[in-house]
Amino acid sequence: DAKTTQPPSMDCAEGRAANLPCNHSTISGNEYVYWYRQIHSQGPQYIIHGLKNNETNEMASLIITEDRKSSTLILPHATLRDTAVYYCIAAYRAGNMLTFGGGTRLMVKP
Amino acid sequence: DAGVIQSPRHEVTEMGQEVTLRCKPISGHDYLFWYRQTMMRGLELLIYFNNNVPIDDSGMPEDRFSAKMPNASFSTLKIQPSEPRDSAVYFCASSQERTGSMNTEAFFGQGTRLTVV
Repeated sequence: DAKTTQPPSMDCAEGRAANLPCNHSTISGNEYVYWYRQIHSQGPQYIIHGLKNNETNEMASLIITEDRKSSTLILPHATLRDTAVYYCIAAYRAGNMLTFGGGTRLMVKP
Repeated sequence: DAGVIQSPRHEVTEMGQEVTLRCKPISGHDYLFWYRQTMMRGLELLIYFNNNVPIDDSGMPEDRFSAKMPNASFSTLKIQPSEPRDSAVYFCASSQERTGSMNTEAFFGQGTRLTVV
């Protein structure tokens, strides 16, 4: 699986959009970009994933650059409950993520 | 569906004892994964199964660790003998891979917090 690089931490004001970047410059053509988050000590929670096209669901939007070397997760209206560690992973198969890396610790502030 | 169910939620055991962690995947899912999370090493994949068959166990740290999946609805991760450095949170996850369609997500259980004293 390709290695991903994320900033270790970010702050966001409540109600504003949170934009979390991820670099995956060595991603291969059939690797998906997955985003998960982990709130406190709970199990990781799936957010969204994509291959080439931008994706949107009820939780977030995923913007993947045309060369697929980076992506951005967008939480359109961050709430305090979105405070968590967010992981960006490149993987061939759902769940088969050899390592989650350090992720980005997002702190949503009032 | 109740999601991925792990038991116990917490386990405290003495060094040298055998520990068995249990997982019930989501019904219909054909992949099952065992992860371990520590502060030092983050989330690490230990082993995964496809249709009850172990596919990759390269992440299993030592021979003291073993995992089984006797049927589609149950898996165990066993540590024998346990050591203090095995203390961690162990997560189980399951997913369903549908041929010809977009790759799907994995669902994680709430984890088992293991403390070996």
